[in-house]
Amino acid sequence: ENVLTQSPGTLSLSPGERATLSCRASQTVRTTLLAWYQQKPGQAPRLLIYGTLNRATGIPDRFTGSGSGTDFTLTISRLEPEDFAVYFCQQYGSAPLTFGGGTKVEIK
Amino acid sequence: QLQLQESGPGLVKPSETLSLTCTVSGASISSSTYYWGWIRQSPRKGLEWIGSVYYTGSAYYNPSLKSRVAMSVDRSKNQFSLKLSSVTAADTGVFYCASLFDYGDYAYYDHWGQGTLVTVSS
Repeated sequence: ENVLTQSPGTLSLSPGERATLSCRASQTVRTTLLAWYQQKPGQAPRLLIYGTLNRATGIPDRFTGSGSGTDFTLTISRLEPEDFAVYFCQQYGSAPLTFGGGTKVEIK
Repeated sequence: QLQLQESGPGLVKPSETLSLTCTVSGASISSSTYYWGWIRQSPRKGLEWIGSVYYTGSAYYNPSLKSRVAMSVDRSKNQFSLKLSSVTAADTGVFYCASLFDYGDYAYYDHWGQGTLVTVSS
């Protein structure tokens, strides 16, 4: 199983600041098979990024995905109030499909 | 716009079978570019992939649950279903159905249902 480890567990930042979230895989992941999701309390996860760097429909350009191999990053350039949430990475390069444990971005 | 809606009992007794159905609207469940999946979320295990099923009935399960899981598709109703047998309290969680877009080199869950809480308790 390809274990995804996300860091940090919690990121405390102010609106307008830059957020950098890390996702490290225990095995190599094809870049086309790495995705990021955002989840707010009481809601289902929402697709943000697919194929490592492609924004999903309607996702603003302050969200940027990057990485390759075993190291992937989600960057939020300037945090808006609606961006405070939990973020998960997910891979489907090798079965079973796995999710990271999540990074909570909270208001400082 | 593709939408998914879970339905089923919110309370299941230990050792019994959990059964959930997901109704798909805005797209055909017979689409060749989608698999239909179930994911559960709990404080203990986070987001856990249960499995995915294709409109033909071909299914892929998480090895950790494979002996207890069965998924199926009802094309006439545009629905797919999950059965998880011999449940214990550890199976308690929010169950999501979702559409896995699988085309070319890409695979990702692009639409999710709102989720349904299933509690295993006597």
